[in-house]
Amino acid sequence: EIVLTQTPGTLSLSPGDRATLSCRASETVGKDYLAWFQHKPGQPPILLLYGAYNRATGVPDRFGGSGSGLDFTLTISRLEPEDFAIYYCQYYDTTRAIFGGGTKLQIK
Amino acid sequence: QLQLLNSGGGLVRPGGSLRLSCAASGFPFSDYYMSWVRQTPGRGLEWLSYISSSGSMTSYADSVQGRFTVSRDNTKNSLSLYITNVRPEDSGLYFCTRGILADFWGPGTLVTVSS
Repeated sequence: EIVLTQTPGTLSLSPGDRATLSCRASETVGKDYLAWFQHKPGQPPILLLYGAYNRATGVPDRFGGSGSGLDFTLTISRLEPEDFAIYYCQYYDTTRAIFGGGTKLQIK
Repeated sequence: QLQLLNSGGGLVRPGGSLRLSCAASGFPFSDYYMSWVRQTPGRGLEWLSYISSSGSMTSYADSVQGRFTVSRDNTKNSLSLYITNVRPEDSGLYFCTRGILADFWGPGTLVTVSS
């Protein structure tokens, strides 16, 4: 079974910084099937990116995705105060979905 | 507007059973796969189950296979998750989500398993 490993576990940055979050798969993953979610306490997660780099409706363009095969990256170009949250990558297909362990992005 | 309303959570004893429900509105429910995801403090987000748009196909995470059953009623725009032989590790916040992409989530319903 595919395992998604997210690094770092915690990332401490300041508003205005650039954030780079990584997601490594244990086996090759089609880029069409990799998504990123943002989760804030007390709220349901929201879909940020799908197909590795396609932004979901309403997602600001400071959120970007890249990668293929085993390694995928979520980049937040310039952090806003509301971006501090937990971020999860997810592999999905028509029979299953798997989440990574998450990266907590916290204010430095 | 898009809405997924969760219900059915609460306190349940180990070994018991419960049914979680999700009422959908604001979109053509019968056109979408639906899924269940849970959040637990120690394990983050965990995908649990899909059901196809017609309800003819279902799939489950290995961790819940055999104890969880997903179903839907497209005439009532409703989704259900039936959980049997509940375990302490089933405690968490259960979300229903729209589509394989999980592009919209309900607010979640809390399940606490304790004697």
